[in-house]
Amino acid sequence: DTAVSQTPKYLVTQMGNDKSIKCEQNLGHDTMYWYKQDSKKFLKIMFSYNNKELIINETVPNRFSPKSPDKAHLNLHINSLELGDSAVYFCASSLSGQNEKLFFGSGTQLSVL
Amino acid sequence: KQEVTQIPAALSVPEGENLVLNCSFTDSAIYNLQWFRQDPGKGLTSLLLIQSSQREQTSGRLNASLDKSSGRSTLYIAASQPGDSATYLCAVRLIFGQGTELSVKP
Repeated sequence: DTAVSQTPKYLVTQMGNDKSIKCEQNLGHDTMYWYKQDSKKFLKIMFSYNNKELIINETVPNRFSPKSPDKAHLNLHINSLELGDSAVYFCASSLSGQNEKLFFGSGTQLSVL
Repeated sequence: KQEVTQIPAALSVPEGENLVLNCSFTDSAIYNLQWFRQDPGKGLTSLLLIQSSQREQTSGRLNASLDKSSGRSTLYIAASQPGDSATYLCAVRLIFGQGTELSVKP
C-alpha cells in the first residue's frame, strides 16, 4: 500500500492550459503539503494544509490553487500554465503534535511546452 | 527566516570509505531535523529524524547528529557502498537544504 500517492506521475501540456495534480495519503495524517523541486533540484514549500485549513502559503502565483476536500486529500490546480512552471511537484504529509516526520509522494513531473 | 545550507554540494568517494555530510541552519529554535535520500527521478525517502531534544540517531550504517547551539547536523555514512549513491537532503521545519549529491565509486 502506497502511503502518499500522487497522480499523474507525468504531465505534459501546452502553455496556457489548466491542469490538476491529485494527492492522497492513507497514513491518518492531518497535515499535507505541496513542494516544488526546480531544475536545480531545490525543494521549496508552496502550501500546507492542516485539517483542511490553509496554514502555509508561500510566495506562489495565485494561478496555483490548492484544495483539500478532506484530511486525506490535497489537490493542486494550476491555471494558465507557463514555461516556468515546469518542475517536479511533490506532495507530503505529516501528523501534527508528534515529531512531524514528513512522508513524501513519488512526485509529478510537469512539463509545459 | 530559517535558512538551511548543505556542504558539500557534491561528493565522490571510493567504496568502503566513511564519510560525513553537513547541514547547517540559521534558527536554532527547531522542532526536529530530518535527513532524506533522493534517487534520480524518484521521491524522497526518510532516513533519520532527530528531535530537538536528541543529540543523535542511528540506523544501520547511518548516524545523524544534531547540535542546536551551533546550528549544525551531520550525517555519517560508514563503509560506503555504490548503492549509497544518491542526493542527500536535510530539512528543518519544512525548509530544505540544497542537498549533497553523493557518488560512491566501486
